[in-house]
Amino acid sequence: ETGVTQTPRHLVMGMTNKKSLKCEQHLGHNAMYWYKQSAKKPLELMFVYNFKEQTENNSVPSRFSPECPNSSHLFLHLHTLQPEDSALYLCASSQQITWDRGQGELFFGEGSRLTVL
Amino acid sequence: GQNIDQPTEMTATEGAIVQINCTYQTSGFNGLFWYQQHAGEAPTFLSYNVLDGLEEKGRFSSFLSRSKGYSYLLLKELQMKDSASYLCAVMDSNYQLIWGAGTKLIIKP
Repeated sequence: ETGVTQTPRHLVMGMTNKKSLKCEQHLGHNAMYWYKQSAKKPLELMFVYNFKEQTENNSVPSRFSPECPNSSHLFLHLHTLQPEDSALYLCASSQQITWDRGQGELFFGEGSRLTVL
Repeated sequence: GQNIDQPTEMTATEGAIVQINCTYQTSGFNGLFWYQQHAGEAPTFLSYNVLDGLEEKGRFSSFLSRSKGYSYLLLKELQMKDSASYLCAVMDSNYQLIWGAGTKLIIKP
């Protein structure tokens, strides 16, 4: 139990569907992240929020849309995805991001395994 | 470009010692992290090195040489539960985390 909970754990969707991934952290952290993990590839940072403000958007296609209503919750809205978007989507949190120390230790959720047909 | 290299897979025997290497080429350096990820589970933090030398934490130790762009994770008295992927990540000068692809460690009885 890492204190970061992701739902659903598994999701299968067609290319025309709209779905959302949810992440909740119970650690009192102020920074939250979405990562994409594909087999045998490095983690890809997608989005970063620090104190509910988006600070990073790493050239992610617009078919992925993040939402951070408060410091404890993070969503990833999905629509018209492609089969190559099939991957494990990991949410993480950290205490905060500072200009002089970066983000520190990350606490990850167990991920949402997404399959796009 | 920025690059983190680590072996794709390693095999070791229960009770033995294994060293997982990580070499990096990044724009600046603000620390190196090791994470452990069991299959189907969340990555969990193992260690953070920002100064040269060896940091020991129980059966696990992490070493850093900034001049060589090199780190290793040393696992002693291997147990079956140590079978997992080990992820190396470097924080660059912009405090961006650059990740390696991970090393899958297989422990055999």
